[in-house]
Amino acid sequence: EAGVVQSPRYKIIEKKQPVAFWCNPISGHNTLYWYRQNLGQGPELLIRYENEEAVDDSQLPKDRFSAERLKGVDSTLKIQPAELGDSAVYLCASSSQRVDYEQYFGPGTRLTVT
Amino acid sequence: RKEVEQDPGPFNVPEGATVAFNCTYSNSASQSFFWYRQDCRKEPKLLMSVYSSGNEDGRFTAQLNRASQYISLLIRDSKLSDSATYLCAVPSGYALNFGKGTSLLVTP
Repeated sequence: EAGVVQSPRYKIIEKKQPVAFWCNPISGHNTLYWYRQNLGQGPELLIRYENEEAVDDSQLPKDRFSAERLKGVDSTLKIQPAELGDSAVYLCASSSQRVDYEQYFGPGTRLTVT
Repeated sequence: RKEVEQDPGPFNVPEGATVAFNCTYSNSASQSFFWYRQDCRKEPKLLMSVYSSGNEDGRFTAQLNRASQYISLLIRDSKLSDSATYLCAVPSGYALNFGKGTSLLVTP
């Protein structure tokens, strides 16, 4: 079974530029999560989707971050404009509705904002 | 008190040793707990789920102490390949609250 796929794996941009990350969850997993992980910290939730509906986006900085999950499968997370403090690893995870908390992570996108 | 707290370590242990990490949580209503392993520059990978008093999988044992609100991860007969960061996670709503992780280095 294929795991969670993310792209790109690495991205270096200048501040104020836009950036987008893409995630394809495990087939059949209805729940999709975007986390951000800073160096030396655990992952922190940005947004959670149930199918195509964003059901928890309370931690998403909405002034510059946006996300979508059209058709309830793939998802895109966008930052516009990026700030230096956005440098982090952006992790996508998915889970089956049957066992919600057992989340499986993709390899992440390592973002560096210069 | 932070929702999930872990001793960051690092824990340096010789091969073959037994090592244990603790993770304290603040939500007394939590019913499930998770240990993830994260290798350097890799994604977290689910190591073990704990839904009752504990769980055992080979050399790994997770135990839950509800009265004191902590879970522990015990690794017996440590291998060099066990070197990693171990993240504790506790549900918050339908997402997970992660600790900062405990770093383990197993040396020859």
